Amino acid sequence: NAGVIQTPRHKVTGKGQEATLWCEPISGHSAVFWYRQTIVQGLEFLTYFRNQAPIDDSGMPKERFSAQMPNQSHSTLKIQSTQPQDSAVYLCASSLGVSQNTLYFGAGTRLSVL
Amino acid sequence: QQQVRQSPQSLTVWEGETAILNCSYEDSTFDYFPWYHQFPGESPALLIAIRPVSNKKEDGRFTIFFNKREKKFSLHIADSQPGDSATYFCAASATNNNAPRFGAGTKLSVKP
Repeated sequence: NAGVIQTPRHKVTGKGQEATLWCEPISGHSAVFWYRQTIVQGLEFLTYFRNQAPIDDSGMPKERFSAQMPNQSHSTLKIQSTQPQDSAVYLCASSLGVSQNTLYFGAGTRLSVL
Repeated sequence: QQQVRQSPQSLTVWEGETAILNCSYEDSTFDYFPWYHQFPGESPALLIAIRPVSNKKEDGRFTIFFNKREKKFSLHIADSQPGDSATYFCAASATNNNAPRFGAGTKLSVKP
């Protein structure tokens, strides 16, 4: 079991460009979460899927952020028209269920918007 | 909105002392309270968790104290070791299937 796999590990974009981040959850896990980590905010919830269905995207900045889970083996987080304030480490996690289940985090994608 | 508040932002203790990290929450539907730790260059990993059926959970040197009335919980690390130096995140979730919300983290440094 390779754990949660996130690609790329590092991404550098210019202001206004698009960034797509990929996540492969642990096989058999039904819940997939996206969080954004910064020094100031800590681990900020973005969105999550259960059995591939979007359940809660209340943490997603509107308009420029979107997430999808087209199949049980991967999820994507897309940021359009990236801004410097989007610079952060984006963490994907998966768990067997949602509440009261251990979250297993990937190594993260460090996004730098110049 | 910060659903889970955590303090202090950073904490330094000497080896052998007890480190105390604090968290509070607003949503009374939260009923599961895990703590994760994150070592430099690594991802967060579950350390210990508590359900409010009890007000204390121990695992070796790590103890969670839970106060449902005040909506507060804390992590006590006894006999702190330099290897405990990491960032600690508290979290909370509810059985109505919402995603865990995390505090902003406490960076713990244990000096030998």
